[in-house]
Amino acid sequence: ILNVEQSPQSLHVQEGDSTNFTCSFPSSNFYALHWYRWETAKSPEALFVMTLNGDEKKKGRISATLNTKEGYSYLYIKGSQPEDSATYLCAFGPDRGSTLGRLYFGRGTQLTVWP
Amino acid sequence: DGGITQSPKYLFRKEGQNVTLSCEQNLNHDAMYWYRQDPGQGLRLIYYSQIVNDFQKGDIAEGYSVSREKKESFPLTVTSAQKNPTAFYLCASSRTTGGETYEQYFGPGTRLTVT
Repeated sequence: ILNVEQSPQSLHVQEGDSTNFTCSFPSSNFYALHWYRWETAKSPEALFVMTLNGDEKKKGRISATLNTKEGYSYLYIKGSQPEDSATYLCAFGPDRGSTLGRLYFGRGTQLTVWP
Repeated sequence: DGGITQSPKYLFRKEGQNVTLSCEQNLNHDAMYWYRQDPGQGLRLIYYSQIVNDFQKGDIAEGYSVSREKKESFPLTVTSAQKNPTAFYLCASSRTTGGETYEQYFGPGTRLTVT
């Protein structure tokens, strides 16, 4: 079982603060890195799927970077809002032939944004 | 609207009984997945299927069984052999083609309680 680590485990910030989280994954046999947002009482929703070293993706105030050589990805939220409160999951996809498509999930970072 | 449905939302069973969790998708996705979530843990893969009539064990398949007779449906049976079946179960689906990775779409989940 491959190890995907996310830090911090939880984070509390004030509205308007910018914040970032880290996802660490095995740097060998890399194929893809996914980020998902999971709001309470809802289903997880995909934010980004990244496959290339140096990839940077952006969706509104949220952006992500990817370093496959050292095995980490950062998720940034600029000017956090209460509606950003959620658990953010990262998931690593290895390049292993028949296992293409399966993901290994981290435990998530739980973000709470206070008004 | 396209999406994934899981039923029921809550399920209660007595120890020793098998129980089947339903997962249906109308997204025309080839791949489907079953995950389990326990407190403080990431999503752990139970089984996945990349095509009809074919499926693979994930990391925690013991005590579970699946079938994939139709593209739209991927039911999960929790057998009496599963030692700790009480958990939250999520079903997901994705497109899958050779050489590509796609985001996963999740259902609303089923919370199973076995007493």
